[in-house]
Amino acid sequence: GQQVMQIPQYQHVQEGEDFTTYCNSSTTLSNIQWYKQRPGGHPVFLIQLVKSGEVKKQKRLTFQFGEAKKNSSLHITATQTTDVGTYFCAGRSTTSGTYKYIFGTGTRLKVLA
Amino acid sequence: DARVTQTPRHKVTEMGQEVTMRCQPILGHNTVFWYRQTMMQGLELLAYFRNRAPLDDSGMPKDRFSAEMPDATLATLKIQPSEPRDSAVYFCASGLGDKTGFSGNTIYFGEGSWLTVV
Repeated sequence: GQQVMQIPQYQHVQEGEDFTTYCNSSTTLSNIQWYKQRPGGHPVFLIQLVKSGEVKKQKRLTFQFGEAKKNSSLHITATQTTDVGTYFCAGRSTTSGTYKYIFGTGTRLKVLA
Repeated sequence: DARVTQTPRHKVTEMGQEVTMRCQPILGHNTVFWYRQTMMQGLELLAYFRNRAPLDDSGMPKDRFSAEMPDATLATLKIQPSEPRDSAVYFCASGLGDKTGFSGNTIYFGEGSWLTVV
């Protein structure tokens, strides 16, 4: 079945440093979503990417969808302590149901002040 | 603010007991998901509904789990009988989907039901 892996599993950065998490799918994706989950909280939707090679920005966050639509990345510039949490990608395979989003394994980010 | 409401927030139960978790999706949303989160398995999709019809429950252990949407304002996830390995956080999420997916529409998660089976 469809698998979605993320690397790294954990990342500790000093406040002000950049951070990137990578998402890789075993199957081609129709689209991909990114979520953030704070410790003890629930996933919060950040963005959805649909087109091959698409790049979207939200303030210090840059999201990219690979040309082959099998991978994606999230880059945070100049991290802040408020960026702490786990970042998940969720992909919908081209061969699966229209609403079937499989979550990646997540990258837990810790920002040291 | 519109939000997905889940009850109970926390539940401790004994092995063998029935557990029912409830979810009130955001009004007007036509797609409802149930996810389970554990440290070992991460976020797993259990089942999802479109316009109250179950579209996929392949992620759900069929022998003990069941998911229903008796009406547009209520989704339920039932475990009978519960086992210690069912201990997890169960999230309900809702969104407004179209035939291609969710386009630019956001999917909203509830705060989760934290289940402990002893």
